Amino acid sequence: NAGVMQNPRHLVRRRGQEARLRCSPMKGHSHVYWYRQLPEEGLKFMVYLQKENIIDESGMPKERFSAEFPKEGPSILRIQQVVRGDSAAYFCASSLLTGTGNYEQYFGPGTRLTVT
Amino acid sequence: QKEVEQNSGPLSVPEGAIASLNCTYSDRGSQSFFWYRQYSGKSPELIMFIYSNGDKEDGRFTAQLNKASQYVSLLIRDSQPSDSATYLCAVNRDDKIIFGKGTRLHILP
Repeated sequence: NAGVMQNPRHLVRRRGQEARLRCSPMKGHSHVYWYRQLPEEGLKFMVYLQKENIIDESGMPKERFSAEFPKEGPSILRIQQVVRGDSAAYFCASSLLTGTGNYEQYFGPGTRLTVT
Repeated sequence: QKEVEQNSGPLSVPEGAIASLNCTYSDRGSQSFFWYRQYSGKSPELIMFIYSNGDKEDGRFTAQLNKASQYVSLLIRDSQPSDSATYLCAVNRDDKIIFGKGTRLHILP
């Protein structure tokens, strides 16, 4: 199965701890996107990365949140000093950007973060 | 004005009927349009994409795009109970995709 993989699927953290969410894109895809979804809310764009580069982080909170996509290994979304408001589903998507600029994003199963 | 607008619903449609889901967008420069289906507690699943004006059919699904009116729709023929889900309209803006909040569709058995 060459789909987008995310782990862990569920993550519980106490306030003040760090959360690390991992995403491996679909085979052959080199573009990764992170989204956050609050209950009964839409998907909110957070960050767009290519290998070793952050292309667009306009949706990332200025503090405590960071993302990377190293040359080897999965993309990681890191949340430091988590607060209850960080509780949400975090989805990763990947795409194969075509030369025409048209592309489709495919989503992983998500990580449900609960901050207690 | 929101970038991507959808009626939140719920939209109730009898089984076997046609479900019509609508979406408007604000950026005239958008070129790519997507429909995702999301079941409760699950991740979004891409079901249709359309890049040109007109209709695009795939099985029971038809996507319709009217760039002049900045309007995109999804028709589901012969609706089934398994079609009950939230349908997300998404539109590209530069290098990213912007999602609407989704329309909840309920197919009545």
